[in-house]
Amino acid sequence: QVVLTQSPSASASLGASVKLTCTLSSGHSHYNIAWHQKQPEKGPRLLMKLDSDGSYIRGDGIPNRFSGSSSGAERHLTISSLQSEDEADYYCQTWITGGRIFGGGTKLTVL
Amino acid sequence: QVHLVEAGGGVVQPGKSLRLSCAASGFTFSSYAMQWVRQSPGKGLEWVAVISDDGNNKYYAESVRGRFTISRDNSKNTISLQMNSLNPDDTAVYFCGKERGRHGGDTLGYSDYWGQGTLVTVSS
Repeated sequence: QVVLTQSPSASASLGASVKLTCTLSSGHSHYNIAWHQKQPEKGPRLLMKLDSDGSYIRGDGIPNRFSGSSSGAERHLTISSLQSEDEADYYCQTWITGGRIFGGGTKLTVL
Repeated sequence: QVHLVEAGGGVVQPGKSLRLSCAASGFTFSSYAMQWVRQSPGKGLEWVAVISDDGNNKYYAESVRGRFTISRDNSKNTISLQMNSLNPDDTAVYFCGKERGRHGGDTLGYSDYWGQGTLVTVSS
């Protein structure tokens, strides 16, 4: 069974950069994932699809401040030039036949 | 542009049923799988169910299998989630999502568009 592990929280200052990590469980380091942003009272928003080779495709309208990278079983989301509206929950997600799996989410605080 | 609108949420007693719907527009509905995801108060996103573009393949989370049924009407660009035997753990905001792929299987199994959600509260 695939498990995605995320740190519960992260923080960074306005204008700075932050790197969020999603770790795939053992034996699943070849899986591609998606990153979604979830703000309170709003539906999720696709940020990007991130492949195991580090290539990524941003969702519609997502600024290039959002980038992705991969290293082994880790999938990273980097947000640069942090803005106040980036304060949100960030979820990684992958897929198998018969299901979709979400990580526990990382709550990002912009200081 | 893509637009997804969920409806049907409300307050329901434990053991009762509720039917959610999701109206889609702005894309060729019959060419994409669709899914339901939920978020309970204070918790993370939890996948619920997915249906293939033609409705022939359906998959469910273990927590709802046997109680929930996902369906779609490609003539009306809608999907539905029939929820039976509801319990308080089903209390959540339910979101529908358009998947990037067609089959609901292991290819492109993520949503590129989401609705705003509808709240289901199971309480006596």
